[in-house]
Amino acid sequence: QVQLQESGPGLVKPSQTLSLTCTVSGGSISSGGYYWSWIRQHPGKGLEWIGYIYYSGSTYYNPSLKSRVTISVDTSKNQFSLKLSSVTAADTAVYYCARENWGPSRYFDLWGRGTLVTVSS
Amino acid sequence: DIQMTQSPSSLSASVGDRVTITCQASQDISNYLNWYQQKPGKAPKLLIYDASNLETGVPSRFSGSGSGTDFTFTISSLQPEDIATYYCQQYDNLLLFTFGPGTKVDIK
Repeated sequence: QVQLQESGPGLVKPSQTLSLTCTVSGGSISSGGYYWSWIRQHPGKGLEWIGYIYYSGSTYYNPSLKSRVTISVDTSKNQFSLKLSSVTAADTAVYYCARENWGPSRYFDLWGRGTLVTVSS
Repeated sequence: DIQMTQSPSSLSASVGDRVTITCQASQDISNYLNWYQQKPGKAPKLLIYDASNLETGVPSRFSGSGSGTDFTFTISSLQPEDIATYYCQQYDNLLLFTFGPGTKVDIK
């Protein structure tokens, strides 16, 4: 049973870099057919896709966040990570990592529990 | 960018009622439309992919239809455990994902 688990600081100061890691257990991040995504949800609001990475390291980001986002992968640790720079209060959200089925059909079929990150001094 | 709208934004229905949610895309997305259920404090859960395909393990009272710009999600007989917010989500050939604003479903 593949599971995803987010980890990282719950509080980040304005202008600093938010860093989160998603650990994949019960399966290999290097198995084909999946991309690995970050998605966030502002408090009481809808969902915003941030970007994804393939195990090879290829990435694609939401253009609205592209200038501040870096997603990386560490296959030896079965993890992928998110860095979001120059954060403001508007980046306060629950951050989810998710597995995206990559094929003729594309959907997020597995999600982590999410982690709340608050941006505040 | 493709924009997604959902209606209604919230609804209340009785147990056993048929519930219908609509999702509209700002341009033709073929059948590239998924539906998720999110219960309070939980991560979203995939229910329907490619507009009408039921994800494995999802009860058959959930269904979806539509193509192009107009899509419908239906719960044929609302159950107490269906209380949640439902989101549509599109993917397009620009490799972007966009979620609708959500529809909150309550029991009357």
